Amino acid sequence: GAVVSQHPSRVICKSGTSVKIECRSLDFQATTMFWYRQFPKKSLMLMATSNEGSKATYEQGVEKDKFLINHASLTLSTLTVTSAHPEDSSFYICSASGGGATETQYFGPGTRLLVL
Amino acid sequence: SQQGEEDPQALSIQEGENATMNCSYKTSINNLQWYRQNSGRGLVHLILIRSNEREKHSGRLRVTLDTSKKSSSLLITASRAADTASYFCATADSGTYKYIFGTGTRLKVLA
Repeated sequence: GAVVSQHPSRVICKSGTSVKIECRSLDFQATTMFWYRQFPKKSLMLMATSNEGSKATYEQGVEKDKFLINHASLTLSTLTVTSAHPEDSSFYICSASGGGATETQYFGPGTRLLVL
Repeated sequence: SQQGEEDPQALSIQEGENATMNCSYKTSINNLQWYRQNSGRGLVHLILIRSNEREKHSGRLRVTLDTSKKSSSLLITASRAADTASYFCATADSGTYKYIFGTGTRLKVLA
């Protein structure tokens, strides 16, 4: 149980374009979803937390206008990287939690974004 | 620093040996979790230990938690080449719901 999917798994785009990444909980309802960014051989850095039906909470230093997050249903959250630039190239991972705030987070397989 | 520290940063052992990784954190926690990540992949949840627990086992994994020292250890016994991966600890801050990830240990098990 507790499967989280992400789509696409890899994306290459030109600088200036926008990219949307989907995160879905397949077999449970995710009241809270989290978006992380990971640089090569580094740890995960939390970007934002989204609760279904409400605005996302962004971590300090993360541009909310740059990284648009929508959590429209209990099984889907999207992260849109707007006007992407090469420095946005990274591995983006989402996670979902179906229980209380500190319960286990289940992670998606990640999306590798390369901006040319 | 927001993140906890893990040591060692990298560990290379022979198949069959035990591997021990340590994690230290800074805040009060509700629980601590260990995750595994294969190169370029997502995270796989290994084990959760709550703040009122001191030790937990799952198969070849043994996790300890010392809240007085704000530290945890993950022991993998009888390691296999397939255990090669990065291992991260994550703490759930008792004041918030956010996970704070450690810096990770890159484990390489040689066949």
